[in-house]
Amino acid sequence: TQLLEQSPQFLSIQEGENLTVYCNSSSVFSSLQWYRQEPGEGPVLLVTVVTGGEVKKLKRLTFQFGDARKDSSLHITAAQPGDTGLYLCAGGETSGSRLTFGEGTQLTVNP
Amino acid sequence: GAVVSQHPSWVICKSGTSVKIECRSLDFQATTMFWYRQFPKQSLMLMATSNEGSKATYEQGVEKDKFLINHASLTLSTLTVTSAHPEDSSFYICSVVGGRGFNYGYTFGSGTRLTVV
Repeated sequence: TQLLEQSPQFLSIQEGENLTVYCNSSSVFSSLQWYRQEPGEGPVLLVTVVTGGEVKKLKRLTFQFGDARKDSSLHITAAQPGDTGLYLCAGGETSGSRLTFGEGTQLTVNP
Repeated sequence: GAVVSQHPSWVICKSGTSVKIECRSLDFQATTMFWYRQFPKQSLMLMATSNEGSKATYEQGVEKDKFLINHASLTLSTLTVTSAHPEDSSFYICSVVGGRGFNYGYTFGSGTRLTVV
């Protein structure tokens, strides 16, 4: 069974600060996705990374996939209260296969 | 990505009764759907993989006779929680995989909050 360790589990910061969330595994994934979930709703896909070493940017969010495709990070610049939510990383063994989820990072950005 | 509709969004039922949750892929023919369970402040746990036209594949520790999955068409999968008990209270979420390029990934339904009283 592949496992994804996500850290930190909880993060409370002030508006304007930067933060990084990490997702690590001893297994190789064919792809890794990052999701954001708000209370009472399903997760919403933010990005999919598939190539080792690739970096993708989505406005203030920067996603990186490790060279060995075992780890990933999400960096948020100048966090805003609207960024508050549960961030989940998830790895896929093959295209369209079951996903393995990390434990999640509950982010709170205080105004 | 795909558009997924999950219904109902919340349900309260009495202990011992059964509840059916529907997951529809509105614009994508999904041969495979996934059912997850999520407890408060926790991540998603895969319960089963729903395969169109065949039996679902259940994860270890998930009772297939308690959580009945039917994937009768390419656009609909249902999860029935039979003889529900308070410990079955949870947030149930379905997902399909689809999309293209940058946005390839799994689209999730909006979830169903089940409360068993």
